[in-house]
Amino acid sequence: DAKTTQPPSMDCAEGRAANLPCNHSTISGNEYVYWYRQIHSQGPQYIIHGLKNNETNEMASLIITEDRKSSTLILPHATLRDTAVYYCIVRDPLDTYNYGQNFVFGPGTRLSVLP
Amino acid sequence: DGGITQSPKYLFRKEGQNVTLSCEQNLNHDAMYWYRQDPGQGLRLIYYSQIVNDFQKGDIAEGYSVSREKKESFPLTVTSAQKNPTAFYLCASTTLPDRPYDQPQHFGDGTRLSIL
Repeated sequence: DAKTTQPPSMDCAEGRAANLPCNHSTISGNEYVYWYRQIHSQGPQYIIHGLKNNETNEMASLIITEDRKSSTLILPHATLRDTAVYYCIVRDPLDTYNYGQNFVFGPGTRLSVLP
Repeated sequence: DGGITQSPKYLFRKEGQNVTLSCEQNLNHDAMYWYRQDPGQGLRLIYYSQIVNDFQKGDIAEGYSVSREKKESFPLTVTSAQKNPTAFYLCASTTLPDRPYDQPQHFGDGTRLSIL
């Protein structure tokens, strides 16, 4: 079962920031938070990941709360091409026992960027 | 460019027929995975392999088979025992945990399988 909870859908106006929340209240100390997105009929695309510090790359920013029980993915200036399903995943990359099975993709959040 | 190639993009299966989906990667990744995605759903793990000649069942392995004879290839066979094979199939790969462990999974663009 997925260890995360995300809203099923969100809308965002083009050019505005899209803030996608994720709850992961049972996250353990060794688990990272990963974000992927899937544009229709394509494979999921990696966006960003982090452990406890906020992270930023050319695609997005990841804000993780101090207690690590939730996080927010921020797309600073959403475009129509950002319309996709966004998945939040928590996993321990060093858990060799469960390694094969710990990328768990739940239903995600369907983000619609509106013109 | 390095990446994962899945073929064919669309595949049709007749009743009682086995079909094989191809997945090839040139990323030099050790681990490879097969997922199934149904409309509006997340991904469910079918099989995964961490090294050549070894693979493990995922959550929904019944009706599927795999082989891993080469590091770069991980074909999936959908057998006639899989009674509801219509779905989007995704292949992924990644490095092992004892390599730069924060490498994310890389995905192919999928194969859409339908029953005739």
